[in-house]
Amino acid sequence: EDQVTQSPEALRLQEGESSSLNCSYTVSGLRGLFWYRQDPGKGPEFLFTLYSAGEEKEKERLKATLTKKESFLHITAPKPEDSATYLCAVRPGGYQKVTFGIGTKLQVIP
Amino acid sequence: DSGVTQTPKHLITATGQRVTLRCSPRSGDLSVYWYQQSLDQGLQFLIQYYNGEERAKGNILERFSAQQFPDLHSELNLSSLELGDSALYFCASSVTGQVSTDTQYFGPGTRLTVL
Repeated sequence: EDQVTQSPEALRLQEGESSSLNCSYTVSGLRGLFWYRQDPGKGPEFLFTLYSAGEEKEKERLKATLTKKESFLHITAPKPEDSATYLCAVRPGGYQKVTFGIGTKLQVIP
Repeated sequence: DSGVTQTPKHLITATGQRVTLRCSPRSGDLSVYWYQQSLDQGLQFLIQYYNGEERAKGNILERFSAQQFPDLHSELNLSSLELGDSALYFCASSVTGQVSTDTQYFGPGTRLTVL
């Protein structure tokens, strides 16, 4: 069964304090790893898709990387508006079901 | 704004009742997915439809059913509601639902409260 484990569960950062969120996964034939951002009571907002080990993608202060067993979401010089829950999800080969992790709740303090 | 719309935004009902949640996918998207998100729980995949046909099933209870109509909007029907069904229900859509490069775009969700 596909599994996604995200750590830490919660992270509190000072504004400007860079850090990384981790997503460890077990999946049969990874066909895509997704990062989403979710604000309280809102729908997940798509950030990145990574397909193969070694791949990296960037968007503003966020950078996602992928290895064969885990993905990292690096946040550089975060701002209070980056506060949200960040979700990681994986899709196995030959199947469209996506398995989500529980997420990392990020709080950035001014 | 993802382009996926869901109605209603909030729904309050009593145990034993039946409700219908509605989702309109992004323009051009053929596939619709339904998810349940309970308090402090991850997103749980319920069911996927592609161009009107059921494509994949997840942890969907027998009391729940869904369908996708010819105009591609989808409805999730929840019956014999229990307190534990209180959750956020999200709809997502993707272009085909068949290709590994598909990305799912989520709607704003419907918050269901069962009293």
